[in-house]
This record gives sequence, structure tokens and C-alpha cells, in this order.
Amino acid sequence: DAKTTQPPSMDCAEGRAANLPCNHSTISGNEYVYWYRQIHSQGPQYIIHGLKNNETNEMASLIITEDRKSSTLILPHATLRDTAVYYCIVRVVDSGNTPLVFGKGTRLSVIA
Amino acid sequence: DVKVTQSSRYLVKRTGEKVFLECVQDMDHENMFWYRQDPGLGLRLIYFSYDVKMKEKGDIPEGYSVSREKKERFSLILESASTNQTSMYLCASFPHSGAGYNEQFFGPGTRLTVL
Repeated sequence: DAKTTQPPSMDCAEGRAANLPCNHSTISGNEYVYWYRQIHSQGPQYIIHGLKNNETNEMASLIITEDRKSSTLILPHATLRDTAVYYCIVRVVDSGNTPLVFGKGTRLSVIA
Repeated sequence: DVKVTQSSRYLVKRTGEKVFLECVQDMDHENMFWYRQDPGLGLRLIYFSYDVKMKEKGDIPEGYSVSREKKERFSLILESASTNQTSMYLCASFPHSGAGYNEQFFGPGTRLTVL
């Protein structure tokens, strides 16, 4: 799987949008971009994934650049409960059992 | 609701003991995984299994073995625990295909301390 690069930490004011960047310049055509987050003392939790189109669900939006070399996860109105480590992962989806490979992620601190 | 459970949240063992960490999922998933998580190192894959009695080494299998006798249960075994195996252990699962394929479900984790 391609490697990803994320900033180690970010701060965001409560109620503001949190924009978390991820670089994946060596991504292949059959690799999707996934985002997970891990709140302290819990297992990681799936947020969203995409291939090349922007995606939105009840948790977040995912913006993928046209060349697919980078993406941004957007939490539109961050709350204190969004404080967590956020992982950006690229993964081939057309194989039935490819495990996720986690990097070190970005530690997001939402500040009141 | 989807569920992955792990046998203990906290465990304390002594050096040299044999340790079993159990993971059970109720979603009929084919794929199951064991990770360990350490400060500054992130999550690292130890072993995974894509079917009953099948297993594959991950990135750091040394000092560990696994057992998958039933589809719902994936056990991680430390044959002779050592202090450098003190860590948070996380189990996860997802299906081969269909709904949920894109989402890997994690258990709450077991924090193991080896003295």
C-alpha cells in the first residue's frame, strides 16, 4: 500500500471546521483513501472513504484532489468529542482481505 | 449492532507466562486481525486471518502465535511473555465482501502489562 504523510498534531477551536490534510503522492489507481479516528482508550473507528470523487456522510466530508495525490478530511463543526488521533490510509479494495496499514496519524485537539 | 469484543480490558502477567488474548466478533466476518499499539509507533499488524484455520503474518509476528478454530473467534498467544510485549492490543474484523466491506470494526482493546 502507498504511504501517507500527515501532520503530527493540529488544534481547532470548538464550533469551527477542522481540516485535516493527508499526502499520498504514490497512490495507485485502484487504491482508495480511508479515514479512521481513535478516541483515547478506544479502538479506531471508521469515518469515511473515497476513490476520486468528494464524499460526505453524517460525520465528515472528504475532499480528494484531482490528481489524487492528497486529500483533506473536514469536520464541519468540531466539538470537544472530536478530539482524537485521525488516520489517513490508502488501501486496495479489490482484494478480499487486505489489512489496513496505519501510520502515526494526526492528533487533533479541539479547544473550547 | 456490529460488535467486536475482547476478553479483557486490562491484564497483568509475569515474564515467562503464557498469555491468551481472545477476540470474538458477531458479524460473521471472514477477516480478523490483531494489532498492537505503542506510543510513538502507532498501530502495527501482528497477525491476520482471512478464514477459519488460516493465518498470515503481519509486520511484527515475532513472539506471537494465533489460533482461528472458529469463524467468530481469533486468539492471540504469547508463548512466553516478555516485558517488551507490554502494549495495547487491538482486534479487528471485516467481511470479504458486501455491506461493511469498507469498514474495519475494532474491539475496545486489551492493555497488557508484563512485569
